[in-house]
Amino acid sequence: DIQMTQSPSSLSASVGDRVTISCRASQGISNSLAWYQQKPGKVPKLLISAASTLESGVPSRFSGSGSGTDFTLTISSLQPDDVATYYCHKYNGAPQTFGQGTKVEIK
Amino acid sequence: EVQLFESGGDLVPPGGSLRLSCAASGFTFNNYNMHWVRQAPGKGLEWVSGISGGGSTKNYADSVTGRFTVSRDNSQNTLYLQMNSLRAEDTAFYYCAKRAGSGSNYPLDLWGQGTLVTVSS
Repeated sequence: DIQMTQSPSSLSASVGDRVTISCRASQGISNSLAWYQQKPGKVPKLLISAASTLESGVPSRFSGSGSGTDFTLTISSLQPDDVATYYCHKYNGAPQTFGQGTKVEIK
Repeated sequence: EVQLFESGGDLVPPGGSLRLSCAASGFTFNNYNMHWVRQAPGKGLEWVSGISGGGSTKNYADSVTGRFTVSRDNSQNTLYLQMNSLRAEDTAFYYCAKRAGSGSNYPLDLWGQGTLVTVSS
């Protein structure tokens, strides 16, 4: 089975900072990679699909890149509303696999 | 309104059984693969099982294979998860989720609010 390794597991940054989260697949997955945001006590929200396609209504400060085995979620200017845990997700076929999550906090 | 609503979570002893339900509304249910994803309290997301739109193809995580069975009733727009031989490590919030498109190469774009399963004596 394909494993997804996310890093870092947590980060603390200032408002306005550029934040980058990495996700690495143990095998190539083309662009079948999504990113979700989960705020405390809430359900995961789909932010990005196909590695780089921003979902409708998601702020443009979020962006995704990568293909194959290495993927990145970038928040260009961190905002207080972005405090959450972010998960990458390999979604093609079965089994599906999530990364371990990255908790983002404000410094 | 497009939504999913899970029910059936409860406190059960180790070795016990439970059936979860997920009621769908606002979309053509039988057009979409449906999935169960779980999250232990304070932990990450774990995909559990999936089923094709017509119900003929089912997949399971290794951790639940042989113990859990996914099914659906398209006439009732409802997804099910039968959970047998429950273990303490099955304790989690269980979410049902819908693929964003027909087929197997779409992310999960709609999630229910979750139902809590607690396995403890």
